[in-house]
Amino acid sequence: DGGITQSPKYLFRKEGQNVTLSCEQNLNHDAMYWYRQDPGQGLRLIYYSQIVNDFQKGDIAEGYSVSREKKESFPLTVTSAQKNPTAFYLCASSTGQGWGTEAFFGQGTRLTVV
Amino acid sequence: GESVGLHLPTLSVQEGDNSIINCAYSNSASDYFIWYKQESGKGPQFIIDIRSNMDKRQGQRVTVLLNKTVKHLSLQIAATQPGDSAVYFCAENSGGSNYKLTFGKGTLLTVNP
Repeated sequence: DGGITQSPKYLFRKEGQNVTLSCEQNLNHDAMYWYRQDPGQGLRLIYYSQIVNDFQKGDIAEGYSVSREKKESFPLTVTSAQKNPTAFYLCASSTGQGWGTEAFFGQGTRLTVV
Repeated sequence: GESVGLHLPTLSVQEGDNSIINCAYSNSASDYFIWYKQESGKGPQFIIDIRSNMDKRQGQRVTVLLNKTVKHLSLQIAATQPGDSAVYFCAENSGGSNYKLTFGKGTLLTVNP
């Protein structure tokens, strides 16, 4: 089936550790995104990539890093510099073409710092 | 700053009633809008979209209305069902080469049987 796969579904991290969240899509989409969602809040953009080997900071990029070495993959690393990493992380992709572009979301990774 | 917001954080309706969820936006450059539905613990699902050259668009049991004069967006759900219970987000895209979507905080819709 075509879609976006995020893994793992749940992730626990000790303070001071870096962790990497996986996002893979087989929709042949050019653009990929990472959002963070806190309880009762909307989605805030962390990073986005419009094409392979290129990415831009979103609104809350501090403490996060990404790479886009392959079209289908856009992993997010939550570094120890992120002071409040506990949240629900959502990856999305879109064609990124034309006027208006719907984003398709994965099922999310819930990260908890212990 | 410019943002997308919602008038009502929660909405409770009876099964079979029609639901209306509202959204205000402030970015006059936005030309594409999307409504998403998010069930607990899951990623958002696309419901319906509308472009700024339209005032109304209908889907299956859902209608989106866009009033550019007052920068207002609404989602109407006909004959609301228990399965419609979720958080609904509006999102805007300012178009051009900008692929970013800006999301509102969401409205929790609860459907009572």
